[in-house]
Parts: sequence; C-alpha cells; structure tokens
Amino acid sequence: AQSVTQLDSQVPVFEEAPVELRCNYSSSVSVYLFWYVQYPNQGLQLLLKYLSGSTLVKGINGFEAEFNKSQTSFHLRKPSVHISDTAEYFCAVSPNNAGNMLTFGGGTRLMVKP
Amino acid sequence: DTEVTQTPKHLVMGMTNKKSLKCEQHMGHRAMYWYKQKAKKPPELMFVYSYEKLSINESVPSRFSPECPNSSLLNLHLHALQPEDSALYLCASSHQFAVAGTGRHEQYFGPGTRLTVT
Repeated sequence: AQSVTQLDSQVPVFEEAPVELRCNYSSSVSVYLFWYVQYPNQGLQLLLKYLSGSTLVKGINGFEAEFNKSQTSFHLRKPSVHISDTAEYFCAVSPNNAGNMLTFGGGTRLMVKP
Repeated sequence: DTEVTQTPKHLVMGMTNKKSLKCEQHMGHRAMYWYKQKAKKPPELMFVYSYEKLSINESVPSRFSPECPNSSLLNLHLHALQPEDSALYLCASSHQFAVAGTGRHEQYFGPGTRLTVT
C-alpha cells in the first residue's frame, strides 16, 4: 500500500516570490509520482509527472519537481509565483507494478497575495 | 485532445429523485474512473471501469450505480441520495488500467459535476 503526506495544508506567499510545496510518500514498491492542480470549481489538471529517468521534472506553468528516492520526497517548486497560481495542489503516487491507481495526499492550498 | 467532458456542471436533486451524471472522452482511453470530492479534501475513488467492465467498486452504496455503455462514455446513475452525498463528482480516464510499464499512467480529469442533495 502507498501513502502520501503533504506537509503543509496552506502556503501563503507574496506574488513573484519563490514557493516550494512539500510531498513525502511511503510505499513498499516503486512508484510513479504526479502533481495535480485544482483551480476553484474545476477538475484536476496534471502539472507534471515522474516515471523514470532524470529526477528533475519540468511541468506546465513554470513548475518543476525533484524526485528524491532516499528521502521519498517529490517537492514542487516555482521560482516566481503569480496571483493566478492560487489553487489547491495535490501530490499523488501510483505503484509502477500495477498501473494507474492513484493515492492522493491531503492537498496544499497555495494562496498568492499581491 | 486531452479533454474529458462532464454534464451537467451543476445538479440539485431531492432525496427521492433519480438523475444521471455523464462523462465522455475521445482520447481512446480504455480505463475510466468516478471520484467523489468533498470540500477541502482530495478525490476519493468510487469506481473503475477497464475495457467497459467494472474492475473496482470501492464499497460504494448501491444508491450510486455506474454504467459504461461504450469505451467513450461513463454514466453514474443516482437514486435516493442523502444530503451527505452532496459533493463534486469527478470523472477521469487513462490509457489503460493496472498494466505496468506502459509509460502512460496519468489520469485526465473532467471539470466535475457539483451535486447538491436537498
């Protein structure tokens, strides 16, 4: 079984500042990792994914994440946030031996202030 | 095209009503999912269909009845719901289900149906 912990339920940050949203996971098997974003009253949109290869993954909207196997982490970063980045961010994992079942973290609310 | 569509966008129904939620994708995906999402919580998996057959039912009450009439469509039939069933219902699809090593493991989500049970 897998579990995902997003350490911060809310992250307030000023516009144009850098941000890091933290994600740690536990699993008895190797996993694939995902970050999804959910804007108010919308569905989830895939930001980026790590399947294999380079541990630094670049996604849409200027976000990137780094997979750290030894620390079982997959933190999401953006060097300069915009007001429009205000949203809920979900980290998720799926076991790489069984395809697509997603286990979500509890979510982090990113609040960008002017 | 990576779009999953859902109708209706909003639905208000009484506890004695029967209604249906619809989901459609044209990406050629063979796995489709229903999730329930309460406010400020992550999505909770309800059902998974793989090649139009029900693969997973996460112990969902029988007042929710899924149907997959073809590879592009997924329905969720609702009957005798309770107020606590009010939530955002999300549909998702993926290339396949439970097949390792395909490299296409992400799920694509629709915009959801906001359901209110009165």
